[in-house]
Parts: sequence; structure tokens; C-alpha cells
Amino acid sequence: GMPVEQNPPALSLYEGADSGLRCNFSTTMKSVQWFQQNHRGRLITLFYLAQGTKENGRLKSTFNSKERYSTLHIKDAQLEDSGTYFCAAEEAGGSGNKLIFGTGTLLSVKP
Amino acid sequence: EAAVTQSPRNKVAVTGGKVTLSCNQTNNHNNMYWYRQDTGHGLRLIHYSYGAGSTEKGDIPDGYKASRPSQENFSLILELATPSQTSVYFCASGVDWGDGAEQFFGPGTRLTVL
Repeated sequence: GMPVEQNPPALSLYEGADSGLRCNFSTTMKSVQWFQQNHRGRLITLFYLAQGTKENGRLKSTFNSKERYSTLHIKDAQLEDSGTYFCAAEEAGGSGNKLIFGTGTLLSVKP
Repeated sequence: EAAVTQSPRNKVAVTGGKVTLSCNQTNNHNNMYWYRQDTGHGLRLIHYSYGAGSTEKGDIPDGYKASRPSQENFSLILELATPSQTSVYFCASGVDWGDGAEQFFGPGTRLTVL
């Protein structure tokens, strides 16, 4: 299977709702980054994690290398949260500090 | 402010022509990367570099060359552009924190090959 599986492929939320995105890894990953791609196409880094949980405002991310997954939780969704969210992970034992990207979750926040 | 910049931001090329995409970083990172993004594929790695003078093949290198003349600059070269290379190209610089690697992305270049 794909080294990085990202779910769901698409998600629709109303303003104020909470939800979560998930990436499952087929192999052990060393670290993970979460990105938001906005309407202009720019990739904005949300989190870098080598372990554990980080929070930033309404966003929270967890990375569990042993159980091979990472999650991104969005609380109190706002219109500006709309966009495509990608996780990207570095394989443990890999070379070149390369990232493997998931195929993204297209998030639409509605008023 | 440290940043990764790309030029041009948009490019239209003809089939068979030569295209050079440029990337500059002021992060002083050793590693640099070129990706392409196509619908349904996320970002895929084309070439990367460990430092000035070094280039390595990524996952989809066919049809592309890379050049790293300095720490700051990393170019992607399409010697004979084809319509299948129409895509959005992203450059990134990367740092190894020891417990993992983090990459910082440029704004992207939209390339259309007619």
C-alpha cells in the first residue's frame, strides 16, 4: 500500500464544528509535518513533530511513531480554515531527509 | 526574513523547448528539494541536493535535471519540455534537527507546456 495514507480525502464542516484528519503510515516514520495549502496554492507549515502532541490555537496535532499514525484536530472551524491539508513524513532509516506526502484532505468550511 | 523564493512564478513553454526553474533560499540549509504537484498525487520528489555541487535523483527524475551551484541556489532544468510536465513545481529547503527533518517551501511555479 501507499507509505502515507491520508483520510478522509474530503471533509465538509460548518463554522464552529470540530473535526480531525488522520495519516496512517505503512512503515516507521521519524517525524511528520502538517501543511495547509491555501487558495493561492502556498504550502503553510502547521506543525513539525518528532513525537508527542503540539497545539497552536485551534489546531492540535499528535504523532505516534510506534503505532504509525498522526492526527490533526481542528477546533471551532472557521471559513479561513478551508483548503487542502497534507501530512508528510520522513521514513526512519531513510536517506536525504526526504518527505513522503499523503494525497491530502480537501476541507471546506461553510457558514 | 529567511525564505525560499522561486522564479518564475508562472511559465508557458512550448513542447521541445528548454525550461529552467530557479529556487533561492536564505535559510542557510544544506538540503534542497524539487517537487511537482498534480491532482490526486500530492507532492512527488523529483531531485534533491545535500549541498553545493550535489544533486540526487528523487522518485520521479526522468525528464528533469538539477543544478546546485551554491548553498543558496537550486535549479530544475527541463531540457526538452513535454506537455506531461505541465504541473505546479515546488522548491524546498530542509534542516535535520537530529530527531527528524523539516522542510520549508517556496510559493510554487505553475508551468504549462503547450
